[in-house]
Amino acid sequence: DGGITQSPKYLFRKEGQNVTLSCEQNLNHDAMYWYRQDPGQGLRLIYYSQIVNDFQKGDIAEGYSVSREKKESFPLTVTSAQKNPTAFYLCASSTGLEAFFGQGTRLTVV
Amino acid sequence: AQKVTQAQTEISVVEKEDVTLDCVYETRDTTYYLFWYKQPPSGELVFLIRRNSFDEQNEISGRYSWNFQKSTSSFNFTITASQVVDSAVYFCALSPTTRRQLTFGSGTQLTVLP
Repeated sequence: DGGITQSPKYLFRKEGQNVTLSCEQNLNHDAMYWYRQDPGQGLRLIYYSQIVNDFQKGDIAEGYSVSREKKESFPLTVTSAQKNPTAFYLCASSTGLEAFFGQGTRLTVV
Repeated sequence: AQKVTQAQTEISVVEKEDVTLDCVYETRDTTYYLFWYKQPPSGELVFLIRRNSFDEQNEISGRYSWNFQKSTSSFNFTITASQVVDSAVYFCALSPTTRRQLTFGSGTQLTVLP
């Protein structure tokens, strides 16, 4: 089936550790995105990529990093510099006319 | 800069009532797309509708209808005869046609009571 796969669904991180969230799509979309969702704040854009080997910061990129080495993959690393990483993270890919979302990763710092 | 405002944080209705979710947007782009997404408890966002800024015609799809008014920068969503399965968070979003970057509102939690 075509779609976006995020893994893992739940992730626990100790303070001071980096952690990487996976996002894979088989929709052949050029554009991919990472959003962060906090209660009552909607979705905020972290990073986006319009094409392989290129990406841009979104509204809240500090403490995060990404790579886009393959069209299908857009992993997000939450670094120790991110002071409040506990949140729900959503990955999306887009044709420009519609965005398709993964099922999300819930990250908790313990 | 773009901004999407959903002033209604939470709405509760009883099944079979009609409910309207409000969305107001700001953009400097002359052409843009407006979207509505549904987020059920599972977390995945489900696409409901896309509207081009050139097209102000209202749209109806089953129990769902959308009212786009460019003069007031609003794109409201009405559910007619609501059902319990409509309970979810609903997001309005905006994207310029020249670049693929969605800006979301803060969402409206809709609860439909049996």
